[in-house]
Amino acid sequence: SQQGEEDPQALSIQEGENATMNCSYKTSINNLQWYRQNSGRGLVHLILIRSNEREKHSGRLRVTLDTSKKSSSLLITASRAADTASYFCATDDYNQAGTALIFGKGTTLSVSS
Amino acid sequence: ETGVTQTPRHLVMGMTNKKSLKCEQHLGHNAMYWYKQSAKKPLELMFVYSLEERVENNSVPSRFSPECPNSSHLFLHLHTLQPEDSALYLCASSQVMDATNEKLFFGSGTQLSVL
Repeated sequence: SQQGEEDPQALSIQEGENATMNCSYKTSINNLQWYRQNSGRGLVHLILIRSNEREKHSGRLRVTLDTSKKSSSLLITASRAADTASYFCATDDYNQAGTALIFGKGTTLSVSS
Repeated sequence: ETGVTQTPRHLVMGMTNKKSLKCEQHLGHNAMYWYKQSAKKPLELMFVYSLEERVENNSVPSRFSPECPNSSHLFLHLHTLQPEDSALYLCASSQVMDATNEKLFFGSGTQLSVL
């Protein structure tokens, strides 16, 4: 089934540094979304980018989408300890209208002060 | 608060027990979902209800039984579970528009342990 794959699986950085996570997917999509999850909690939506968009910003977040390569990246600038969490990309499937989102395994980000 | 409330927050049950997980959304959404999250695995989609009708069931074992009595409430009935069913069960809701999925709103989850 359709699935996003995040890379790297784990990332450790210092406060103030930038964090970049990548996501690859398999089939045509309507949109791609990024979510964040703190340990043992539900996921929180961060940003949605549509298939006809190439870049989107929200605060310290920057998302890019390359539909020709079926990949996306999430950049968190000037990271803070509070950014420590798992980050997931999620995709729908353009060919299956209304299908629920499918998530990847996630990238675990650790930001140390 | 995301507008999606799940109860209970934690649940410990024996393999012969019957229990139910509850989810309620206050967002006026038209779709609700159950996801299972096990350690070191991607989130697994279990059930989808759109306009109170089940539209997707990803080959989930029959020991899991969903119920959606109205657009705001979703239940997951559990019976004769196995230890490998221990996981975080997440409920989510969304507004599906023009056959595409907008963002999901998740509850905090129920951490289930099966002994």
